Amino acid sequence: DSGVTQTPKHLITATGQRVTLRCSPRSGDLSVYWYQQSLDQGLQFLIQYYNGEERAKGNILERFSAQQFPDLHSELNLSSLELGDSALYFCASGQGTEQYFGPGTRLTVT
Amino acid sequence: AQKITQTQPGMFVQEKEAVTLDCTYDTSDPSYGLFWYKQPSSGEMIFLIYQGSYDQQNATEGRYSLNFQKARKSANLVISASQLGDSAMYFCAMREGINQAGTALIFGKGTTLSVSS
Repeated sequence: DSGVTQTPKHLITATGQRVTLRCSPRSGDLSVYWYQQSLDQGLQFLIQYYNGEERAKGNILERFSAQQFPDLHSELNLSSLELGDSALYFCASGQGTEQYFGPGTRLTVT
Repeated sequence: AQKITQTQPGMFVQEKEAVTLDCTYDTSDPSYGLFWYKQPSSGEMIFLIYQGSYDQQNATEGRYSLNFQKARKSANLVISASQLGDSAMYFCAMREGINQAGTALIFGKGTTLSVSS
């Protein structure tokens, strides 16, 4: 158990809909990272938050947004969903060099 | 250009044998870190081992060791005495600017390891 929690574990929704994925980092970790794993793109970095502030952006679509709350949990919002958004979404947290991953949320868009 | 290259889509090994999973990287940043993660069929990402660019010795963690050859820009993972539970996808990853407060991981495409009895 990495200490990072993500909910829900699975999510099935239709095209055009909006979903919110939730992540709680390990106790004491201020950084939260979001990654997407899909068959065609592999594992890619989406966005990072550090103590409530956006720190870095990767290949995140404009339809996607994230935030980190005062209690350090983070939410990733995906809107106007397309079939190609079906993927495994990971949250990771870390203080030093390592990043510890949550179990992921598997999103299926039908 | 690919920053992390894993050239072996699949590897097969027998139980109790050692196996090497290849990883080459590309960066001009002098401060970077190299990581290996294991992803079993259940999907979670498990951190295995870390090597910093300034580390003089190769990292080891139990049956895992990282063969770090800085001049060749390679960071191969060696698993000794393979077990059936080692069957999984293995990802090599890099963080540039490792001394900065949080930079993202760049992943390779992964290598599927199959261990047979």
